[in-house]
Amino acid sequence: DIQMTQSPSTLSASAGDRVTITCRASQSISNWLAWYQHKPGKAPKLLIYRASSLESGVPSRFSGSGSGTEFTLTISSLQPDDFATYYCQQYDTYSKAFGQGTKVEIK
Amino acid sequence: EVQLVDSGGGLVQPGGSLRLSCAASGFTISTYAMSWVRQSPGKGLEWVADIGGSDDNTYYADSVKGRFTISRDNSKNAVYLEMNSLRVEDTALYYCAKGPFVTSVTHFDCWGQGTLVTVSS
Repeated sequence: DIQMTQSPSTLSASAGDRVTITCRASQSISNWLAWYQHKPGKAPKLLIYRASSLESGVPSRFSGSGSGTEFTLTISSLQPDDFATYYCQQYDTYSKAFGQGTKVEIK
Repeated sequence: EVQLVDSGGGLVQPGGSLRLSCAASGFTISTYAMSWVRQSPGKGLEWVADIGGSDDNTYYADSVKGRFTISRDNSKNAVYLEMNSLRVEDTALYYCAKGPFVTSVTHFDCWGQGTLVTVSS
């Protein structure tokens, strides 16, 4: 099975900061990767699919890049609403796997 | 508006059974593949099962294969997860999720609010 590893596990940042989260796959997944934002008590929200395609309605400060085994999610200027946990997810195989999550906290 | 409403969770003893439901609105489930995803307390997200929109093909995580069954009732526009032989480690918040295509789930573009399953004696 493909394993997904995110780093860091926790990130402390201030509003206005540029934030980058990394996701690594245990083997090549081409660009079959999605990113989600998850807040406590809420349903996860799709941000990015196919590694770099922005989901409709998602602010343009979110962007994704990468292919093969290494991917990044960047928030260009962190907003108060962006403090949450972020997950990557591979869909190269039917056995979809998520990363362990990156919690973005207020510094 | 596309919406998923999850229900059916509760407290069940180890070895017991439970059936989760996911009511869809704003779209027809037969035109999209659907999934269940869970989150154990303090842990991350784990994919559980998929069902195709048009062909009823099903796929399961190894951790639930042989114990859980995903199904769909197009007349009720609903998806179900039948869970048998439940274990303590199945305790989680279970989310219904929609894929963007009819044949298979790739990523998840809409999620329910989740229903809590607690397996404990």
